[in-house]
Amino acid sequence: GDSVTQMEGPVTLSEEAFLTINCTYTATGYPSLFWYVQYPGEGLQLLLKATKADDKGSNKGFEATYRKETTSFHLEKGSVQVSDSAVYFCALSEANAGKSTFGDGTTLTVKP
Amino acid sequence: GAVVSQHPSWVICKSGTSVKIECRSLDFQATTMFWYRQFPKQSLMLMATSNEGSKATYEQGVEKDKFLINHASLTLSTLTVTSAHPEDSSFYICSAAGGRRGGRETQYFGPGTRLLVL
Repeated sequence: GDSVTQMEGPVTLSEEAFLTINCTYTATGYPSLFWYVQYPGEGLQLLLKATKADDKGSNKGFEATYRKETTSFHLEKGSVQVSDSAVYFCALSEANAGKSTFGDGTTLTVKP
Repeated sequence: GAVVSQHPSWVICKSGTSVKIECRSLDFQATTMFWYRQFPKQSLMLMATSNEGSKATYEQGVEKDKFLINHASLTLSTLTVTSAHPEDSSFYICSAAGGRRGGRETQYFGPGTRLLVL
C-alpha cells in the first residue's frame, strides 16, 4: 500500500536558518503530494501541493519539488522565522482512492 | 484556501453520554468528507470516509456503531460519538474534498474538536 516517510523530529533551528524536512513516498499510481502545517491546538492547513512529476509547489517562502525518480517531496525554506514553529505533515493522495496517506509529522521549533 | 468549520471546538462530557460534532464546508460543495482522530504528538488516524448521500466507509478497527457518521448534504457531515468513554478523549479533525476547488485529491481541514470524556 501507499506510505509516506518523513524525517524524524523534532527539528530546532535559529531564526533565519535554512530548513529542509525530508519526505519520501511509495505509491502504486501517480499521486498528488502535499505539505500540511499544524499550529498548536489547531487543525491542519494546506501549505503547498504538487500534482505531477517535476512540479514545484510554493507558498509563504516554502518550496517542495515532486521528484518521481527519487520518490521524494522535500520541504525547504531559505530563512525560517519564529512564526514557522509548527508540526509539518507530508501526505499523498491517489486520484482514484480519494483518501490521503500522511507521514508521522515533523515538529519544527524556531528560536529567536 | 477553502474554509471548513467544526463545531464545537471544545467539548467536555460525562462518560456514557453521546457527543455530536459538525463539520461544514463553507464555500464549496464537498463530495467527500473525512474524519480523523489525532492523539497528542502523533499523526492523523483516518477513521472514516463519507460521501454525500451514501454510507460512510470505516477504516479497519473503527467501530461504526460507536462513531456514527452522517453526510446529509454537500456541505455538512456529522460525527456522533455514542456512549463516550474516557478512552474516546481525543482531537477529532474533519476534512472536505471535491468540487472545482482543489479537485478530489486536495483536502481542506477543519480546526478540530477536542473531546474530553470524564
